[in-house]
Parts: sequence; structure tokens; C-alpha cells
Amino acid sequence: AQKVTQAQTEISVVEKEDVTLDCVYETRDTTYYLFWYKQPPSGELVFLIRRNSFDEQNEISGRYSWNFQKSTSSFNFTITASQVVDSAVYFCALVNRDDKIIFGKGTRLHILP
Amino acid sequence: EPEVTQTPSHQVTQMGQEVILRCVPISNHLYFYWYRQILGQKVEFLVSFYNNEISEKSEIFDDQFSVERPDGSNFTLKIRSTKLEDSAMYFCASSAPDRGKISGANVLTFGAGSRLTVL
Repeated sequence: AQKVTQAQTEISVVEKEDVTLDCVYETRDTTYYLFWYKQPPSGELVFLIRRNSFDEQNEISGRYSWNFQKSTSSFNFTITASQVVDSAVYFCALVNRDDKIIFGKGTRLHILP
Repeated sequence: EPEVTQTPSHQVTQMGQEVILRCVPISNHLYFYWYRQILGQKVEFLVSFYNNEISEKSEIFDDQFSVERPDGSNFTLKIRSTKLEDSAMYFCASSAPDRGKISGANVLTFGAGSRLTVL
């Protein structure tokens, strides 16, 4: 079965703190892609990152970093020095050979000023 | 920055009415999708469309739903007879072909969504 689990439903941190959003996935395929999307209060879905199953290199983009570990089937997302504008719902997603995105339930992140 | 445009942003309708949600994908994209998000829940796949036909659909996408690309630019989702449980945010997305090993693992660009409220 294909599944994406985001165990953290809601997280609140104070501005400038670091925060990590967890994502655990299940798939029988050896080739797959993982994504993170951001859904700000305005509602649209904004692409953040795509990672394929053969590339376990961690990635950093500004204050955002991603830790992909196949051994634990996890693709965690860390925001360093969080800002109020980071407040949003963040979705982790999986695409495998069935060719459609399976989203996790999302983690609602509140950054408190 | 090219974007996917959806109209209307919000529609309120009576149960049993037909609704058409419209999307203008990015012009050079070839794959088109509809997703929905019931309030507070996860985003769910409805249907994908390529080469003027449905390539995949979920069990949610029953006979009450249809999609078409009538004029080569718009991509519409029609719900024939709306039910209360159709109330949700509907997202259109499009993507370009990708040279990756999985043809569908493209970076989808999502529209801002159309909120449908069925009374």
C-alpha cells in the first residue's frame, strides 16, 4: 500500500526557533518521488521540493532543509530560524509508479511572534 | 511566473445543482489534474488528464464527475448533481513532461483553488 503519514497534526513555535516537520512514507516501489508542498492561509498549494528515491543527499535551500532517509522511510523538513510568514499547512507527498500524488494529511504550523 | 488560474474562487450552490469549475493550466503543460480538499482534511486525487482523455481517476471520481478540455486552453471539472459532501476546495494542477523515470512524477503547479459550498 502507498501511504504518507504526517504524525504531527499541529505545531506551534515561537519565531526564530527551529522546527522539524516529520514525514514517513510507505511504498512497495523502489522508484518513487517525494514532495513537500506549502499551503498558506490563502489556500493555494506551493511546491517546495521534489526528491527521487535514488538521491538521498540532503538539501538545503535558505532556511529550509530536508533530510531523506530511506532506511527509515522518512523525508523530514526543517525550518531554521522560523518566521511568522512560515505559518501554513505543510503537506508531504509521494508519487510512485501509479503516477499520482498521494498526500499526507498535513501539518499545521503556527509561528508565534 | 506562469501560473494556473482557477475560477470561480468560491461558489455556493444548492444540493442537486450542476457546477462547473474552470481552470486555465500553464500553456505549455500537457498533464492536467483535479484534486480536492475537504475542509481540514488531506488533499485527495480526483483525476488526471492527458492527450484529451482521462489517464487515471480515483474512486471519488464517480459518474457525477466529468472533465473536459473544450477549447485547448480551459480544463473544466463538472459535477452533475452536487451533494452536501462535495463541499470542498477543488485544486486544478498542470505539469510539463519530465525526463525522469516516472512520467507522472512531475512538479505539479497548483492553482489557488475553487471553494465549493453545497447547501
